[in-house]
Amino acid sequence: DAGVIQSPRHEVTEMGQEVTLRCKPISGHNSLFWYRQTMMRGLELLIYFNNNVPIDDSGMPEDRFSAKMPNASFSTLKIQPSEPRDSAVYFCASSFRTVLETQYFGPGTRLLVL
Amino acid sequence: DQQVKQNSPSLSVQEGRISILNCDYTNSMFDYFLWYKKYPAEGPTFLISISSIKDKNEDGRFTVFLNKSAKHLSLHIVPSQPGDSAVYFCAASEVGGGADGLTFGKGTHLIIQP
Repeated sequence: DAGVIQSPRHEVTEMGQEVTLRCKPISGHNSLFWYRQTMMRGLELLIYFNNNVPIDDSGMPEDRFSAKMPNASFSTLKIQPSEPRDSAVYFCASSFRTVLETQYFGPGTRLLVL
Repeated sequence: DQQVKQNSPSLSVQEGRISILNCDYTNSMFDYFLWYKKYPAEGPTFLISISSIKDKNEDGRFTVFLNKSAKHLSLHIVPSQPGDSAVYFCAASEVGGGADGLTFGKGTHLIIQP
């Protein structure tokens, strides 16, 4: 398996623009997680899905952030409009249903908002 | 408020010696703990985990110890090798509460010196 795939790997955009991050989980995994890593706050859980359904989005910072999982093999995290403080590395991870199964992380998308 | 704390941002250890990374948590509902390892420009990778019903789990050179009364866990690496140089994240979850997302500490950068 190719592992969790994220695209793009790097994104530079200007403040106010829409940003869409993409994730393809490992085939057969039914849980998908979006995390954000910053120097100040470390790795934070933003939202996670089980069987394509959002379960906990309490970590989503603001209404500017939205996430979807239209099917078992694809998820997006959208920021609209983007702001400089959104600059971070965004990780997607997937696992089987229970957290007792380890989460496998993608390589991350490094986002810079100017 | 950080529920998982790694108070040492960095740690330097000589090759062949023991590395001890520490982690404290405040949420008494956490019942499952994990350590992840991260190299630059890569996503975190799972290293070892421990359930709250245990106080020790060992996997090769890696051992995790859990002290529930002190809300403290530690990762021991012995002997330390150059390839162990990475950022190590402590993470916790409320499996019993049905929460699948992980709460991470900010990480400890381990440097193994030759």
